[in-house]
Amino acid sequence: DQQVKQNSPSLSVQEGRISILNCDYTNSMFDYFLWYKKYPAEGPTFLISISSIKDKNEDGRFTVFLNKSAKHLSLHIVPSQPGDSAVYFCAASGAGGYQKVTFGTGTKLQVIP
Amino acid sequence: DTGVSQNPRHKITKRGQNVTFRCDPISEHNRLYWYRQTLGQGPEFLTYFQNEAQLEKSRLLSDRFSAERPKGSFSTLEIQRTEQGDSAMYLCASSSGTSGINEQFFGPGTRLTVL
Repeated sequence: DQQVKQNSPSLSVQEGRISILNCDYTNSMFDYFLWYKKYPAEGPTFLISISSIKDKNEDGRFTVFLNKSAKHLSLHIVPSQPGDSAVYFCAASGAGGYQKVTFGTGTKLQVIP
Repeated sequence: DTGVSQNPRHKITKRGQNVTFRCDPISEHNRLYWYRQTLGQGPEFLTYFQNEAQLEKSRLLSDRFSAERPKGSFSTLEIQRTEQGDSAMYLCASSSGTSGINEQFFGPGTRLTVL
């Protein structure tokens, strides 16, 4: 049972444009949501997170939006840069700050120069 | 380099052999996690330690798998009688547990190939 779903396996965007990566979840007990970026031959790198009590969190070019009623979150990257090309994983965790993280299957973003 | 390190980076073994992987977390982190990632999938949780105590194990962790963190620092993951289905990337992560958000820092992983 895939509790965190990323339905788009890949996305191509022109440099300078906005990249929007989407994620849906099914478990209402999830309390924190995270995005990780992964380059080939490296482990995932934490990018940005959001608590379930918020609907938006912004960090530089990266913004995460959370719609709890729809059980949907998205990551916006503006402007997109070629160095952003990587696999992006949506992830979710329960309350308490120590619980395991459940990952989606990832979306491969390609930013075209 | 003060990040999470894993050794070896690659391991090729024959079916039926035992393998052991090591993870060294960020030094001040008291929480350590093991994940497994197969092609086209996200990392899947295997087990979690707080200091030396193993607090949670996934049902993915069969009896052939055992993990230890004897002194609350480095951890080992052993797979006995390896099977071809064990071929995957094994990822270790650590976190400090001081923030409310479970930001885990991952190592580069150990890629296991079982022939």
